[in-house]
Amino acid sequence: DAGVIQSPRHEVTEMGQEVTLRCKPISGHNSLFWYRQTMMRGLELLIYFNNNVPIDDSGMPEDRFSAKMPNASFSTLKIQPSEPRDSAVYFCASSLSGAGGNTEAFFGQGTRLTVV
Amino acid sequence: LAKTTQPISMDSYEGQEVNITCSHNNIATNDYITWYQQFPSQGPRFIIQGYKTKVTNEVASLFIPADRKSSTLSLPRVSLSDTAVYYCLVGDFFGNEKLTFGTGTRLTIIP
Repeated sequence: DAGVIQSPRHEVTEMGQEVTLRCKPISGHNSLFWYRQTMMRGLELLIYFNNNVPIDDSGMPEDRFSAKMPNASFSTLKIQPSEPRDSAVYFCASSLSGAGGNTEAFFGQGTRLTVV
Repeated sequence: LAKTTQPISMDSYEGQEVNITCSHNNIATNDYITWYQQFPSQGPRFIIQGYKTKVTNEVASLFIPADRKSSTLSLPRVSLSDTAVYYCLVGDFFGNEKLTFGTGTRLTIIP
């Protein structure tokens, strides 16, 4: 397996534009997580899905952020409109949950977003 | 979810054993303890997980006392490549777990 695949690796966009980040989890995993990492705030959990259903989106900062998981092999995180303070590295991770403690999460390489 | 407390940073010399302790005073009966490692410009990577006593794998050991209110990650004979941020997570991993990372410990290995 190629691991968790995120695209794009880097994104530079202008303030006000829509940004869509993509994630392909590891085949067979049933949990998917979106994180945001900055120097100031560290690694923040934005939302996580279990069996394609959003379970907890309390970490989503504002209504400008939305996430979807239309099927088990794809998820998107959208920011509309984007703002400079959204600049961060966004990670996607997947795991096989419900396995009685064996919940190793595998992270993608991240998308470095810069909003100018 | 149980809150965790770790040292912000640690320094160690190459070849030494490094122990990073994490406090989790309100750990619940169903909670497991998991450690992740993160290198710059990469996502976190799973190191080790345990419930009680001691767990060892090819990378590290995890020591958990009987009361489970703390845990210690032990890295034997560290090298420069072990310089990273180490995160301790505690959570109920039966079903809908929520992987929440704290501030982590920034470990710097000195040559």
